[in-house]
Amino acid sequence: EIVLTQSPGTLSLSPGERATLSCRASQTIRNSYLAWYQQKPGQTPRLLIYGASTRATGIPDRFSGSGSGTDFTLTIGRLEPEDFAVYYCHQYDYSPLFGQGTKLEIK
Amino acid sequence: EVQLVESGGGLVKPGGSLRLSCAASGFTFSTDSMKWVRQAPGEGLEWVASISGSSRHIYHADSVKGRFTISRDNAKNSLYLQMNSLRAEDTAVYYCARVMAHGNSYGYGDYWGQGTLVTVSS
Repeated sequence: EIVLTQSPGTLSLSPGERATLSCRASQTIRNSYLAWYQQKPGQTPRLLIYGASTRATGIPDRFSGSGSGTDFTLTIGRLEPEDFAVYYCHQYDYSPLFGQGTKLEIK
Repeated sequence: EVQLVESGGGLVKPGGSLRLSCAASGFTFSTDSMKWVRQAPGEGLEWVASISGSSRHIYHADSVKGRFTISRDNAKNSLYLQMNSLRAEDTAVYYCARVMAHGNSYGYGDYWGQGTLVTVSS
């Protein structure tokens, strides 16, 4: 059974800084079948990235995804106030699974 | 505009049943796979079940297998989740989502509804 581990659990940064979020899988995710979602309190998850690196429609280019195999990264180039939220990685290669989330909070 | 509207949530006793519905509009419902994802209070996201456009392919998470059943009615543009033998740990907001096909994978959810809260408590 695959396990997704996101790190760090909480990331404290200031607007304008660069954020790097990690998602590690316990086994190889084939064909980069990995997505990233953003969720703000009381809101629905919002698709940011699919296929590990393809931005979804309407997503600003400060969001970028990279990685393959077992190690994936979501990078937010320059944090805007609206970017502070919880971020989930999601593998859809095997029986679908989400990571436990990284909370990005204002420092 | 894609819209997904869930309904049917509420308070139910342990061992009880509930049927969730998701009304879809703004896309060709019959050709797209759909799924249910839940989120317990203060917790992360958990995939529950998926169904292909034709209902030919149906998958359920191990945690709900044998208790929950996903189904759809393409004539009514509606997705359903029949939940039986409910437990306290099934308490969550239940989201329906459209699944975007991607190669030979389960696909990822691109549009999500606002969710409906299911509370299992005596």
